[in-house]
Amino acid sequence: QVQLVESGGNVVQPGASLRLSCAASGYTFRRYGMHWVRQAPGKGLEWVAVVWYDGSQKFYSESVKGRFTISRDDSKNTVYLQMNSLRADDTAVYYCARETEALVMGTLAFRYWGQGTLVTVSS
Amino acid sequence: DIQMTQSPSTLSASVGDRVTITCRASQSIGDWLAWYQQKPGTAPKFLIYKASRLEYGVPSRFSGSGSGTEFTLTISSLQPDDFATYYCQHYNSFWWTFGQGTKVEIK
Repeated sequence: QVQLVESGGNVVQPGASLRLSCAASGYTFRRYGMHWVRQAPGKGLEWVAVVWYDGSQKFYSESVKGRFTISRDDSKNTVYLQMNSLRADDTAVYYCARETEALVMGTLAFRYWGQGTLVTVSS
Repeated sequence: DIQMTQSPSTLSASVGDRVTITCRASQSIGDWLAWYQQKPGTAPKFLIYKASRLEYGVPSRFSGSGSGTEFTLTISSLQPDDFATYYCQHYNSFWWTFGQGTKVEIK
């Protein structure tokens, strides 16, 4: 069965960097686009970033553009989120999510989600 | 940017009630809309895509409708397992936006 397992969350100070990982299993990883979505404590869901299945395109929300970088390593079945210049309002549970269909570029919802990893930015 | 607005923010209902949640887009989005259910401390669960297509394994009491700017999620007969927060989501090729969520509470 499909599994997505996030890791890398931690407590860091403002201005620090952190890299999140999402290890996928149970399907052919290279065929699917992958996303990061976050949820601040007590708040709603916020889409963060996407990397298309072939890695050719990456898009970001305005709130993280220029600070966060999404990448994928198909040899490790893993998607990453490099987060730089972290701010207090980046505090959230970060989920990775897989799109619904294989070999399609964008225009897809999220069928599978990981359990999330908590990032806390605080001095 | 397209904004997604859900109403109500909170809904109190009883087991067996018919429940309807509305999601409005700030401009036409065709039928590029999904719905998710989230329970406290857990990841969202995928329910509906393309506005009205039920995901495999989702009970048939859930249904979605709408196109353009107005969409609804309906639960025909609320069950104890359905008390949760529901999110709509617009998706396209390079942008994904969630509504702010609707919490369905026990009345």
